[in-house]
Amino acid sequence: GQNIDQPTEMTATEGAIVQINCTYQTSGFNGLFWYQQHAGEAPTFLSYNVLDGLEEKGRFSSFLSRSKGYSYLLLKELQMKDSASYLCAVRGYSTLTFGKGTMLLVSP
Amino acid sequence: DGGITQSPKYLFRKEGQNVTLSCEQNLNHDAMYWYRQDPGQGLRLIYYSQIVNDFQKGDIAEGYSVSREKKESFPLTVTSAQKNPTAFYLCASSIADRRSGANVLTFGAGSRLTVL
Repeated sequence: GQNIDQPTEMTATEGAIVQINCTYQTSGFNGLFWYQQHAGEAPTFLSYNVLDGLEEKGRFSSFLSRSKGYSYLLLKELQMKDSASYLCAVRGYSTLTFGKGTMLLVSP
Repeated sequence: DGGITQSPKYLFRKEGQNVTLSCEQNLNHDAMYWYRQDPGQGLRLIYYSQIVNDFQKGDIAEGYSVSREKKESFPLTVTSAQKNPTAFYLCASSIADRRSGANVLTFGAGSRLTVL
């Protein structure tokens, strides 16, 4: 089975940097995904890691350590529109399992 | 524009009634999925289909049924056997990302079902 843990809530200030952590225990591993979900809307794809290391995409970066079962999503130069839930998801042998999500609140 | 269309967006149902949620995609994706989302919980997989005329149960399939007669369509029926059906239902489809090879999910806007 899969077990995915991430903090429930985080707060940060506009312009700052925030790191959202995700730890996982899985019976199979074929990649880790991060999705962003605004309230009442569909999740949208942010990043994908399958090998160890950092993947950078504009203001967002994602890191993976397979040996530690650990990933983080780094958001730089925070904007008010970044207030959303951030979902960590792990692909096992055939399906994607999601964590409960981290609600990020960005304040002025 | 290609995408996934879910309907209805909001649905109310009385206890004991079956209800069918529609999901249509024009992305030419082979795989389609149904997830359920409850407050404070992650997305939980109900059913998925990797090819037409074939589907598999996810983690919480009890009380639900699906069909996949066409590539574009993957309707979900919430039956009266589902004990706690009030939730936000998300349909998704997937194809391998060109750059990374990852199977990236594209989601519909969701259907919110309330049982009265």
